[in-house]
Amino acid sequence: DAGITQSPRYKITETGRQVTLMCHQTWSHSYMFWYRQDLGHGLRLIYYSAAADITDKGEVPDGYVVSRSKTENFPLTLESATRSQTSVYFCASSTIIQGAKTEAFFGQGTRLTVV
Amino acid sequence: GIQVEQSPPDLILQEGANSTLRCNFSDSVNNLQWFHQNPWGQLINLFYIPSGTKQNGRLSATTVATERYSLLYISSSQTTDSGVYFCAVGSNYKLTFGKGTLLTVNP
Repeated sequence: DAGITQSPRYKITETGRQVTLMCHQTWSHSYMFWYRQDLGHGLRLIYYSAAADITDKGEVPDGYVVSRSKTENFPLTLESATRSQTSVYFCASSTIIQGAKTEAFFGQGTRLTVV
Repeated sequence: GIQVEQSPPDLILQEGANSTLRCNFSDSVNNLQWFHQNPWGQLINLFYIPSGTKQNGRLSATTVATERYSLLYISSSQTTDSGVYFCAVGSNYKLTFGKGTLLTVNP
């Protein structure tokens, strides 16, 4: 199906373990993003990517690593998970149309629990 | 960075009522979107509206960019309208989200 998909939808992991959240989009959008959603904070930007092999930090990047070897994939890795990284993670993509329009579309989210 | 404030934080309505949600932002933007997060957590695009007015069925939105605010109108509300409504603003591709308005529509 076309769109943006995240996997897994739910994940429980232990403190200190490495975990990777996957994001795949079929639109060939240039930009991709990772946000986390926490009660009382809304959605906050973790990392973003403007194109393959171009990534940059967002508002809350500490403890996360990203890569983008292909336009359609943007995995997010927690190298050593901590309880404070328990959250719902959303991947998004957007593209620039006619130099202006940059509407973002979101995946279904991944609920991560670190125990 | 850009500050985004949404009001009210919570809103309870009876089915059939109308409502207005507000989003104030602190700086010039060229991207503003309204989202509905349904009870299953999915973020659904409602409007891409950096300026002007748009309507989609019972929902409409107006953004006055020069005064740095946007309004989302919901008319004849239904129980399926329940959820959290987010305003997100940005310059070009990065979005900053408000904390949302939790809407509960009772039958």
